[in-house]
Amino acid sequence: GNSVTQMEGPVTLSEEAFLTINCTYTATGYPSLFWYVQYPGEGLQLLLKATKADDKGSNKGFEATYRKETTSFHLEKGSVQVSDSAVYFCALSVHQGSARQLTFGSGTQLTVLP
Amino acid sequence: DTGVSQDPRHKITKRGQNVTFRCDPISEHNRLYWYRQTLGQGPEFLTYFQNEAQLEKSRLLSDRFSAERPKGSFSTLEIQRTEQGDSAMYLCASSLGGTPMNTEAFFGQGTRLTVV
Repeated sequence: GNSVTQMEGPVTLSEEAFLTINCTYTATGYPSLFWYVQYPGEGLQLLLKATKADDKGSNKGFEATYRKETTSFHLEKGSVQVSDSAVYFCALSVHQGSARQLTFGSGTQLTVLP
Repeated sequence: DTGVSQDPRHKITKRGQNVTFRCDPISEHNRLYWYRQTLGQGPEFLTYFQNEAQLEKSRLLSDRFSAERPKGSFSTLEIQRTEQGDSAMYLCASSLGGTPMNTEAFFGQGTRLTVV
């Protein structure tokens, strides 16, 4: 079956620190990979995605590279801000390029302190 | 606001009662999804519509659950004879579909169900 394993939280960082949230997956077929973010009181929002091996998704200073050989899609940001405090979810879909039937990880709570 | 809207935002019900939730997707989106999220977990896929057709259902969607999208616009999710294990956040999402470029799923804020 399909599954996503995320680094357990919560993660607390100081402003301007480097962020890495690990994500590994197992999937039947060739999945597309996603990072979603949930800010307090809001719905899930797509942060970035990658649809094939070695693709790098990027948005708002966040990056993640699709690594087929290590089945990973780690999220990174060079300098976090207080406004990045949120819950981050790694997800996959085995429907190539599509967000159909997403399989999510359990989420990582990030708190950034000023 | 032209995002995905869900109603109600919160619902408290007694065990054994029926509940119905509504989702209004983004107007031009033909794909609609329901997910369930329990505390400390990521969302789990329940079901998927393309227009009015329900094309996929997870095995999580027991016989007590039914979803409809009668005119290919809004959708309802009904839970009959609620159980305490049904307590969760129910999320709706929609996407344009059609090509890989239009595949971003936009999520609503969810309906939080508490069964007492």
